[in-house]
Amino acid sequence: AQKVTQAQTEISVVEKEDVTLDCVYETRDTTYYLFWYKQPPSGELVFLIRRNSFDEQNEISGRYSWNFQKSTSSFNFTITASQVVDSAVYFCALSAAGGTSYGKLTFGQGTILTVHP
Amino acid sequence: DTEVTQTPKHLVMGMTNKKSLKCEQHMGHRAMYWYKQKAKKPPELMFVYSYEKLSINESVPSRFSPECPNSSLLNLHLHALQPEDSALYLCASSPQQGYSYEQYFGPGTRLTVT
Repeated sequence: AQKVTQAQTEISVVEKEDVTLDCVYETRDTTYYLFWYKQPPSGELVFLIRRNSFDEQNEISGRYSWNFQKSTSSFNFTITASQVVDSAVYFCALSAAGGTSYGKLTFGQGTILTVHP
Repeated sequence: DTEVTQTPKHLVMGMTNKKSLKCEQHMGHRAMYWYKQKAKKPPELMFVYSYEKLSINESVPSRFSPECPNSSLLNLHLHALQPEDSALYLCASSPQQGYSYEQYFGPGTRLTVT
C-alpha cells in the first residue's frame, strides 16, 4: 500500500517569508516517483516537479526548492521569499512501479498556503 | 504547449438530466484521466484511458460513463446523478500510462447536481 502524508493542513505567512511544506511517503516499492502539484483558486492542478527514487539530488527552480531524503521518506518543498501569488493548495503525490493501478497517483491531503501582503 | 482544455467550466443539472463533460489535449499524449475532487480534498481517480482503451475503472457508479472517441478527446457522460456527485471534475493527460509520467491537468468542470 502507498500513502502520502502532508501533516500541515494550513500555513499562513506574510509576503517575503520563506515557507517549507512537508511531505512524508510510504511505499514498499523500490522504484517510484514523487510529484508536487499546485492548485490555485482557479482549480487547475499545475505540475511543479517530478523526482525518481534513485535521484536524491536536491533541486532548485527560481524561488522553489525541493529536498528529497530517502532515509526519512520525505520530499519537502520550500518557497523562498513567498509572494501573494503563491497562495494555493499544494499536493504531494507518489506513483510506484508495483501494484494493480499502474500509473495511479496517490495524493496527500494537501496543504493550504496563504501568503498575506 | 502543455494545455488540457475542459468544457463547460460550470454545469448545473437536475437528477434526471443527461449531460456530458468534454476534455481535449493536443500534446500527443496517449493516456487520459478523469478525476473527481470534493472541496478541501485531493483528487480521486475515476477512469484511465490508454491508447483510447479503458485501462482503469476505479469502481465508479454506472451513472458516470466515459468515452474516448480519439487520442485527443475524452468525454464523461452523466446520467441520473445524485446531489453528492456535485464536485470539481478534472481531466488530465500524460505521455503514456505509467508511474514515471507527470500528468497535466485541465482547469476542471465545476458540477452542481440539484
